[in-house]
Amino acid sequence: GQNIDQPTEMTATEGAIVQINCTYQTSGFNGLFWYQQHAGEAPTFLSYNVLDGLEEKGRFSSFLSRSKGYSYLLLKELQMKDSASYLCAVRDQHYQLIWGAGTKLIIKP
Amino acid sequence: ETGVTQTPRHLVMGMTNKKSLKCEQHLGHNAMYWYKQSAKKPLELMFVYNFKEQTENNSVPSRFSPECPNSSHLFLHLHTLQPEDSALYLCASSQEAGGPTQPQHFGDGTRLSIL
Repeated sequence: GQNIDQPTEMTATEGAIVQINCTYQTSGFNGLFWYQQHAGEAPTFLSYNVLDGLEEKGRFSSFLSRSKGYSYLLLKELQMKDSASYLCAVRDQHYQLIWGAGTKLIIKP
Repeated sequence: ETGVTQTPRHLVMGMTNKKSLKCEQHLGHNAMYWYKQSAKKPLELMFVYNFKEQTENNSVPSRFSPECPNSSHLFLHLHTLQPEDSALYLCASSQEAGGPTQPQHFGDGTRLSIL
């Protein structure tokens, strides 16, 4: 079967750095997405990785290793507004999106 | 504002009621999706429409009936629902289904509660 694993919940301090990991086992691979979802709101697109390496976008970076079936989302200089759920999704060989259950990130002052 | 609008935001209904969820996208996309989101579970893809044609129906019970009259509008008709159908229902759109690098854009969802 296809599976995406993420930690259920993480806690970090304002101003710090946090890394949210995602491991996947899918039939084929055609890219990995990260989304942010604030409570009661729409998931919003953060990043896309299809090749190995690090993609940086301001305070957020996303890393991919296809050989290890592994990605992480790195958030720097954490702000209170970063408190949200972070969803990892992988596009399989049929271009279907397989979703993780999401990681709830709690930021403390 | 994501460009995808869902109504209503909240819906409470009895098991014998019939109601419809509406989704409208203003992004010029050609693919639209219905997802079910339950607490602490991955998003479950329910239906996919690409250029108004249904391309996916992921073993969804017949008490959920989608309708896509054009590329901008998507409906989910509900009847005789069960308590386990209580969840957040999300609509999404993308340029086209399966486009290699195209992210999906989501609406804020309809929070559905079945009494």
